[in-house]
Amino acid sequence: AQSVAQPEDQVNVAEGNPLTVKCTYSVSGNPYLFWYVQYPNRGLQFLLKYITGDNLVKGSYGFEAEFNKSQTSFHLKKPSALVSDSALYFCASSRPPGYQKVTFGTGTKLQVIP
Amino acid sequence: SAVISQKPSRDICQRGTSLTIQCQVDSQVTMMFWYRQQPGQSLTLIATANQGSEATYESGFVIDKFPISRPNLTFSTLTVSNMSPEDSSIYLCSAQGGGETQYFGPGTRLLVL
Repeated sequence: AQSVAQPEDQVNVAEGNPLTVKCTYSVSGNPYLFWYVQYPNRGLQFLLKYITGDNLVKGSYGFEAEFNKSQTSFHLKKPSALVSDSALYFCASSRPPGYQKVTFGTGTKLQVIP
Repeated sequence: SAVISQKPSRDICQRGTSLTIQCQVDSQVTMMFWYRQQPGQSLTLIATANQGSEATYESGFVIDKFPISRPNLTFSTLTVSNMSPEDSSIYLCSAQGGGETQYFGPGTRLLVL
């Protein structure tokens, strides 16, 4: 069985400050890990993924995430938060090979304060 | 990446009626999925729709309530049958082509009165 945990329901950060949205996973073997963002009244938008290789993954809108196998974490980061980054963020996992069910975390609401 | 559209974007329906949601992908994809999401909450997978075979339903979801069609590699429909207020939710379609990533449609916001 696989699971994804997002320990924070909400994260507040001041505009211009670095942001971190936390995610830990429990997946047997080598997981595929994803971050999605959902703006109000919109579907989920893909941000980035870790499949293999470099532990630091860069994605859309200046976001990046670091895969840490020893800590089973895949935290989402951005050096300087924008008010427009305020949204709901989902961490997700699946297992190779490709066509496996995706497990989503509970979501973290990011609020960037002007 | 795949671009996915859904129709309708939102609807208000009376209890006991049915609504069919359409999902169109701009490219051929192997797997399509249907999810349900309460506003501000996580996604719950309803079923996986493969072309040429019957949909695979998750625990708690049945074909009589949520019949799904997948007539080709770019299109799928989800019907919410005999609706009750408990079916009020956001219904999301997603697609996965040759890679590992699922791409999502904008969602259908359903309110059942």
